[in-house]
Amino acid sequence: GQSLEQPSEVTAVEGAIVQINCTYQTSGFYGLSWYQQHDGGAPTFLSYNALDGLEETGRFSSFLSRSDSYGYLLLQELQMKDSASYFCAVQTTNAGKSTFGDGTTLTVKP
Amino acid sequence: EADIYQTPRYLVIGTGKKITLECSQTMGHDKMYWYQQDPGMELHLIHYSYGVNSTEKGDLSSESTVSRIRTEHFPLTLESARPSHTSQYLCASSVGAGAKNIQYFGAGTRLSVL
Repeated sequence: GQSLEQPSEVTAVEGAIVQINCTYQTSGFYGLSWYQQHDGGAPTFLSYNALDGLEETGRFSSFLSRSDSYGYLLLQELQMKDSASYFCAVQTTNAGKSTFGDGTTLTVKP
Repeated sequence: EADIYQTPRYLVIGTGKKITLECSQTMGHDKMYWYQQDPGMELHLIHYSYGVNSTEKGDLSSESTVSRIRTEHFPLTLESARPSHTSQYLCASSVGAGAKNIQYFGAGTRLSVL
């Protein structure tokens, strides 16, 4: 079976830094992705890691350790608009099939 | 800019009705997916397609069926809707050689079965 674990909720204040962790146990691994979903909206792609290390895209960074089956999404200089749900997803086949985590609801407070 | 469209956005129907949720993409993506998502919950893959005339069931058992006759179109059909089918249905498409398969999602269809 496939399982991904991430915290259900995280709260932080504007301007702060927050890290959302994701651990996974899957039958195949081709990469770890992160998606953002605002309430009532569609998930949108944020970041992708296939190899160990840190990927940086503006205020967002994502890290992967394949040996630990672990990754995280780092959000810096938090803004109110960052309040959303964040999903990690493992691509389990070469053809693109992915399994999503339960999602982490991030609340940014003033 | 991703162009993937789902219709209807909202649908309220009675038990036993047959419904088709439409999904179309104009990006020429070969892979398409249907997910079911309850409010605040994870996305469950219910169907996916690698290309025309190629469809497979996902991880979550579903009473729905899909077809992929054209690259751009991936409709999902419920032959007899039940209250347990009440949920949000998200369609996605992707293109990617091997790894790094970025999925682009439609706005979703919120289905309520009374």
